[in-house]
Amino acid sequence: GAGVSQSPSNKVTEKGKDVELRCDPISGHTALYWYRQSLGQGLEFLIYFQGNSAPDKSGLPSDRFSAERTGGSVSTLTIQRTQQEDSAVYLCASSLFSTMNTEAFFGQGTRLTVV
Amino acid sequence: GESVGLHLPTLSVQEGDNSIINCAYSNSASDYFIWYKQESGKGPQFIIDIRSNMDKRQGQRVTVLLNKTVKHLSLQIAATQPGDSAVYFCAEAPTSGTYKYIFGTGTRLKVLA
Repeated sequence: GAGVSQSPSNKVTEKGKDVELRCDPISGHTALYWYRQSLGQGLEFLIYFQGNSAPDKSGLPSDRFSAERTGGSVSTLTIQRTQQEDSAVYLCASSLFSTMNTEAFFGQGTRLTVV
Repeated sequence: GESVGLHLPTLSVQEGDNSIINCAYSNSASDYFIWYKQESGKGPQFIIDIRSNMDKRQGQRVTVLLNKTVKHLSLQIAATQPGDSAVYFCAEAPTSGTYKYIFGTGTRLKVLA
């Protein structure tokens, strides 16, 4: 596709259940990011993947959160034993990797509601 | 529906007037800055970027100004249109090669007809 694609666009889950959020980055983009956007807040960095390098997981809020990136393309963010405070919009972005920073392109996000 | 908060700083501008949205960034070592626009229910959309070796950069109807002395970034929108109504975020990348963009909390721009 032409842009970053995320699925599902909306997810309602019961407290305690696990959820998986998917991100398809722009073809050719080797850098992939996950951010979380809570109501009234800016974008909170979660995790960053670049090629085959070890991901930067420094933003993951707890060990209930994990992410994978398979084949250097599609990424899955998994939240185990969801809590109500996990409710937010989860945004994925991708960018070309170069020696200089370049803009990140965002998907439309997955709105997660934990009830 | 709302994709961002209800209590963001809000700038109300008359249609046709110029808008100036300000952002204070945190890290004096940041060397790359981006402005994003986020409409309700959508992901952030890139508007314009600037590197720390520049003070000003112009795009179509938008200008970004960077003042490294006071760590201040601004976005100027000329002849604001109703379609400009959105939340605007600035983002900084602390150092070249470190791609962990740090985002501000955002400013809501309301364009009045």
